[in-house]
Amino acid sequence: AQTVTQSQPEMSVQEAETVTLSCTYDTSESDYYLFWYKQPPSRQMILVIRQEAYKQQNATENRFSVNFQKAAKSFSLKISDSQLGDAAMYFCAYRSAEGGSEKLVFGKGTKLTVNP
Amino acid sequence: DGGITQSPKYLFRKEGQNVTLSCEQNLNHDAMYWYRQDPGQGLRLIYYSQIVNDFQKGDIAEGYSVSREKKESFPLTVTSAQKNPTAFYLCASSIVWGRETQYFGPGTRLLVL
Repeated sequence: AQTVTQSQPEMSVQEAETVTLSCTYDTSESDYYLFWYKQPPSRQMILVIRQEAYKQQNATENRFSVNFQKAAKSFSLKISDSQLGDAAMYFCAYRSAEGGSEKLVFGKGTKLTVNP
Repeated sequence: DGGITQSPKYLFRKEGQNVTLSCEQNLNHDAMYWYRQDPGQGLRLIYYSQIVNDFQKGDIAEGYSVSREKKESFPLTVTSAQKNPTAFYLCASSIVWGRETQYFGPGTRLLVL
């Protein structure tokens, strides 16, 4: 079974600075998807960024980018120019691309605080 | 506006009572999912449905039931058999089952009186 580990329960960053959230995963599959979701105090899960495992190029979405290291099974999220609105829980998630892969497997999350 | 709606936002259950959480989407998505979130935890899959009139158990289906009579709707019933129902429940949908990104509704907080 696949597992996702987020080793940093809490992180903090100064406004306008850069922060990196860590995520590692365990799988024997070669084709899969990785996601970062943001959960603000409203508790709605919002997709931040998605990475296909077959793509070597790291995904970027405005101030958000990932460092995807397939061999190391690592998928970190970098937030540049942090804003107060970035404060939230961040969840890393894995989804198999193989048949029968119906679910997202989530890590336990990292709480990000942005200090003004 | 297109999106996923969940109601109610808060729900209170008495001992021995069944309660139903609503999930509706107007995104024309085929697949729908129910997740449960406990404090300090990520989400865990309860049930999912790929097409109308079909659904499958996830990792923690015991004490829950679902139906999928319409493409737009995927209600979740928390039965009296679920002994620890207090949690945050999130509904999600995706275009097709398997490869597509899942998008989430705003969630329902269930509390036991």
